Amino acid sequence: DSGVTQTPKHLITATGQRVTLRCSPRSGDLSVYWYQQSLDQGLQFLIQYYNGEERAKGNILERFSAQQFPDLHSELNLSSLELGDSALYFCASSVPLGGGSTDTQYFGPGTRLTVL
Amino acid sequence: AQKVTQAQTEISVVEKEDVTLDCVYETRDTTYYLFWYKQPPSGELVFLIRRNSFDEQNEISGRYSWNFQKSTSSFNFTITASQVVDSAVYFCALSGRSASKIIFGSGTRLSIRP
Repeated sequence: DSGVTQTPKHLITATGQRVTLRCSPRSGDLSVYWYQQSLDQGLQFLIQYYNGEERAKGNILERFSAQQFPDLHSELNLSSLELGDSALYFCASSVPLGGGSTDTQYFGPGTRLTVL
Repeated sequence: AQKVTQAQTEISVVEKEDVTLDCVYETRDTTYYLFWYKQPPSGELVFLIRRNSFDEQNEISGRYSWNFQKSTSSFNFTITASQVVDSAVYFCALSGRSASKIIFGSGTRLSIRP
């Protein structure tokens, strides 16, 4: 168990809909990262938040957005869903509150999104 | 640009055999980090090891060992005396100095047959 939690574990929805994925980082970690794993694209970085602020952006579609709240949990919002958005979405966290160089990202169990 | 290549898409061996998973990376950064993650059939991503670019010492952890060679830009992973529980997809990955994002290879699916 990495200490990173994600909900829900599975999500089935229809095209055009909007969903929210939730992530709670490891205790004390300030950074949250979102990744998408799909069969055709592999594991791809979407976005990073650090202590509530966006820190880096990857291949994230404009239909997708994220935020990190004061309690450090994060949400990934996916809207106008398309069939191709079906994937496993991972959240990861790193950087403990006390500093210390552990840039290792620890991953949550993922949310499997199926768009029908 | 950063890139990670895992040329072996799938490997299948019989239990107790040794197996090496290859990883070749590309980066222009002088400071970078290399990782291996394991994704068992249950789907989660499990961290195995992190190496920084200044530490070329090989590492051994039980039946697992890693060979980092900057001269060939490789970071290979060997499992000794493989077990059925080692069956998983293994990802090699790379991040730059800022460690903002991890670039993953395409993964190697390892099947250990009893």
